[in-house]
Amino acid sequence: RKEVEQDPGPFNVPEGATVAFNCTYSNSASQSFFWYRQDCRKEPKLLMSVYSSGNEDGRFTAQLNRASQYISLLIRDSKLSDSATYLCVVNYGRGKLIFGQGTELSVKP
Amino acid sequence: EPEVTQTPSHQVTQMGQEVILRCVPISNHLYFYWYRQILGQKVEFLVSFYNNEISEKSEIFDDQFSVERPDGSNFTLKIRSTKLEDSAMYFCASSGPSAGGPTGELFFGEGSRLTVL
Repeated sequence: RKEVEQDPGPFNVPEGATVAFNCTYSNSASQSFFWYRQDCRKEPKLLMSVYSSGNEDGRFTAQLNRASQYISLLIRDSKLSDSATYLCVVNYGRGKLIFGQGTELSVKP
Repeated sequence: EPEVTQTPSHQVTQMGQEVILRCVPISNHLYFYWYRQILGQKVEFLVSFYNNEISEKSEIFDDQFSVERPDGSNFTLKIRSTKLEDSAMYFCASSGPSAGGPTGELFFGEGSRLTVL
């Protein structure tokens, strides 16, 4: 299994749609988990941390299943501005973030 | 809002030359990192740095690379004898104890694009 593996993209969805991204990771000792967003040729920016109990931030919901080593991100009511690449990120400790390949999302009017 | 700043934004160099990329982390952060992203590929960890020493490095970070915190504000990545395959965007990042330190959020600079000809 790859260190961090994401759904292949791109995802092309209409405005208002709900879209879900999935991610798996290989290291069961991983300490923390994140979703970052990266706009074209820009730096990654934190979208949200992912907690074991699941967490929500507005239209975004993240889930973590440590037993299955699985992370998800749900985006409800997609906006045009949500178009970006979404990066699943696992912290292996001491700041060593392992990034997934990213899933490109394109939200169309 | 405090931010990580990087210079230069773009550097073009000849193969075999040495390059130094500079970063100013967020002022109260204690953990510093370099990542790189080859065009069209994923972001890759290079090195993490804490308390004036490397705390973790990847297999990419070989003897060609070195990092330094020469003063209280700058954090540099030196690439010796550059190769064509070193062409990439290099991101500096930092994190602070109030945000979980090395297991918390990393704040990234806008990147330095290196082109090796």
